[in-house]
This record gives sequence, structure tokens and C-alpha cells, in this order.
Amino acid sequence: EAGVVQSPRYKIIEKKQPVAFWCNPISGHNTLYWYRQNLGQGPELLIRYENEEAVDDSQLPKDRFSAERLKGVDSTLKIQPAELGDSAVYLCASSFLRNEQFFGPGTRLTVL
Amino acid sequence: KQEVTQIPAALSVPEGENLVLNCSFTDSAIYNLQWFRQDPGKGLTSLLLIQSSQREQTSGRLNASLDKSSGRSTLYIAASQPGDSATYLCAVPSGGGADGLTFGKGTHLIIQP
Repeated sequence: EAGVVQSPRYKIIEKKQPVAFWCNPISGHNTLYWYRQNLGQGPELLIRYENEEAVDDSQLPKDRFSAERLKGVDSTLKIQPAELGDSAVYLCASSFLRNEQFFGPGTRLTVL
Repeated sequence: KQEVTQIPAALSVPEGENLVLNCSFTDSAIYNLQWFRQDPGKGLTSLLLIQSSQREQTSGRLNASLDKSSGRSTLYIAASQPGDSATYLCAVPSGGGADGLTFGKGTHLIIQP
């Protein structure tokens, strides 16, 4: 069974440019999460979807970040415009209801 | 607000030793606790999930215990191997109906050959 798939794995952009990350969760997992992990820290939740509904986006910086999960499967996280402080690893995870969360390999973003 | 603390922050031991990693959390109203492993430059690998009704969970050489009332969990690694070198992260639901996880900063483990 395939795990959580994320792309791209790495992205380097200039500040003020837009960037997008894509996630495909494990088949059958209705809950999808986006986390951000800074160096030396644990991941922090940005947004959680149940099916196609964003049910917890309290930590998402809504002035520059947006996310969508069309048809309740794949999800895209976008940053526009990117700032230097956005450099981090962006992790996608999925679960079935409140069960075990499984993580993808992450996208390492560097903003220059 | 849920907070998770992991002790020690780093640990270096010779191969073959048994070791214990500690995790504490401030809000005991959790429904599960999850231990992860993270290798450098990689995503998180789930090691063990303990439901709130359970006291411990085992997988191979790993054993995790949960004392919900005191807000503590331990991860026991038996007969450590160099391949166990990684960062180990503890995570609990954030609380207040939120199902996202709150993580500790992790324990960076090095097993010396």
C-alpha cells in the first residue's frame, strides 16, 4: 500500500515569489493534515481537513497561506508571497478519523 | 494549551544498551499518544500508537508506556543498534476538540557502534 505522497521534495525560491505543495494521502484516509517543521523543532499543525472541509485552520497564516482539498482526496498548500521566515519543511499527514497519523516525506522549502 | 516536553534532548550510548526516552504532556485529556522516528532529511515514521485505555504497546524491541493521569509516557528501546540512531518524537492530540498533534522537540539519539 502506498504511503502519503508529497511533491516536490525540495523547492528553492526568491522571497515574494509564490510556491505550492501537493499531497496525496493514503487511500481511504478521510483526514488530512498540513504541518510545518522548523529546524530542531517538532512539527506544528497548519490546517486539518476532514474530507473536503477545513475543520481546524487556526494556525494557518491566512494573509499569505491558503490550502484546498478538492474532492476530499489530494490537497494543495500555497504560499503567496513567500517570506524568508517561511523556510521550513512542510509535512503532510493523513489518518482515518482519529486514528494513527502517517506522514509523507515532506517538502523542504528554502526562501532566499 | 497542550505542551509536550521530551527528556533528554540528546543521548549517545554504546551499541547494545537498553535505554529509555521520556515524554511529558500538560493536558491529560488525551485519547491517544504517538511515538515517531525521524531520520535526517526525512519525514516522520510512526513507531507506536497507544490508546488512552491502554497502558503500554510493544513493537519488536520497542515498548511504549502511558500514564495518562500523570501526563507521562516512556519509550523503551531494548538492545540498541546503530540503525536506531535518529530523532524520536512524542506527540499527543492538541486538545479542545482539535485532532492535530502537538509534538515535543524530540530526543536526538546516537548509538555508537
